[in-house]
Amino acid sequence: DQQVKQNSPSLSVQEGRISILNCDYTNSMFDYFLWYKKYPAEGPTFLISISSIKDKNEDGRFTVFLNKSAKHLSLHIVPSQPGDSAVYFCAVSYGQNFVFGPGTRLSVLP
Amino acid sequence: KAGVTQTPRYLIKTRGQQVTLSCSPISGHRSVSWYQQTPGQGLQFLFEYFSETQRNKGNFPGRFSGRQFSNSRSEMNVSTLELGDSALYLCASSLGGMGYNEQFFGPGTRLTVL
Repeated sequence: DQQVKQNSPSLSVQEGRISILNCDYTNSMFDYFLWYKKYPAEGPTFLISISSIKDKNEDGRFTVFLNKSAKHLSLHIVPSQPGDSAVYFCAVSYGQNFVFGPGTRLSVLP
Repeated sequence: KAGVTQTPRYLIKTRGQQVTLSCSPISGHRSVSWYQQTPGQGLQFLFEYFSETQRNKGNFPGRFSGRQFSNSRSEMNVSTLELGDSALYLCASSLGGMGYNEQFFGPGTRLTVL
């Protein structure tokens, strides 16, 4: 049973518009949430994180929203740029338990 | 500061063989974690080492093992290779451990089992 789901395997967005990537988790014990971005032939790189005591965290064009009651988090990218085209993984943790989602491939079209 | 390095970058083996992959973390990082990435499966956690001790282990068979040396460098070994072991193997280092710290990933080792 998957503990972390990213139900959209892929997403296409026009340059300049908002990209919204979603992530759902099953265990309410998870208390720290992260997003990573991965380009082909490279390892993932950290984007942004949020702890369970907050419901929003912003870093430039990237904002992560956390809805604990729904066990749902989302990553908003505004405005989207062609260089944002990559696979995005959400990750959840509590204690030493750490799980990545399966990823969403974002394509930003010029 | 140098990033995480992994060697070799590419590897081709045949079924039944064994393989050892190496990971050098960022200087000062004591935690090294290993992941397997296959198409459609995302990043599956293998194990984490912290100060030479295995601190966390994923749900992989005993054919997958690892170790960490006193300089924090880590190796991962897969014995009796199977076709399904073909994947990208990533290692990541962090200061305090994978749970609440940003992990820095290497470029990965692409293993192909024929």
